Amino acid sequence: DTAVSQTPKYLVTQMGNDKSIKCEQNLGHDTMYWYKQDSKKFLKIMFSYNNKELIINETVPNRFSPKSPDKAHLNLHINSLELGDSAVYFCASSQTGLFGTQYFGPGTRLLVL
Amino acid sequence: AQSVSQHNHHVILSEAASLELGCNYSYGGTVNLFWYVQYPGQHLQLLLKYFSGDPLVKGIKGFEAEFIKSKFSFNLRKPSVQWSDTAEYFCAVKGGADGLTFGKGTHLIIQP
Repeated sequence: DTAVSQTPKYLVTQMGNDKSIKCEQNLGHDTMYWYKQDSKKFLKIMFSYNNKELIINETVPNRFSPKSPDKAHLNLHINSLELGDSAVYFCASSQTGLFGTQYFGPGTRLLVL
Repeated sequence: AQSVSQHNHHVILSEAASLELGCNYSYGGTVNLFWYVQYPGQHLQLLLKYFSGDPLVKGIKGFEAEFIKSKFSFNLRKPSVQWSDTAEYFCAVKGGADGLTFGKGTHLIIQP
């Protein structure tokens, strides 16, 4: 009965590859997010999707593309991986609006070699 | 644009000591404020949140925070810490329809 789940938990890959991270929430929320946590633990929002529409793109390189097949899923696809993409990626979800508390997934630790 | 500043990047305390972690934010409108905790190797968990009403909010595990609007602050407190409180603590603000803006985190180490 995990609220926000992500797969895979760990991802090790070579530079230049394309990879995807999947996220699913069973909370009935209508907004989902992707955050990146770097090696210094700094968390920064990447994307937000509300009812399958992108509402935030915080100057993330266009190699990163979120895809939301329905409001319970928000997948993150990364093309041409670079060393600097190594980080922990967290998915989160909330109800829309100011009062929506965000619930986070367990994170995906990506290592690009 | 909103921003969050956490003053202490590393804090080391002994068990039973009192804790206060500073958090200041900048945003021109109505905000919601949060403290999240990240235990080693784990994901973010919500400690407490402020939306409106009583500026002193109580969260899980004995934590509380006070929203002082005039100071744009939302400091986290705990009267007596335990070894199991060792973790990374993040203050965050949400304004309007934006996602959360996080502070850079405070790494708290509790020595037994």
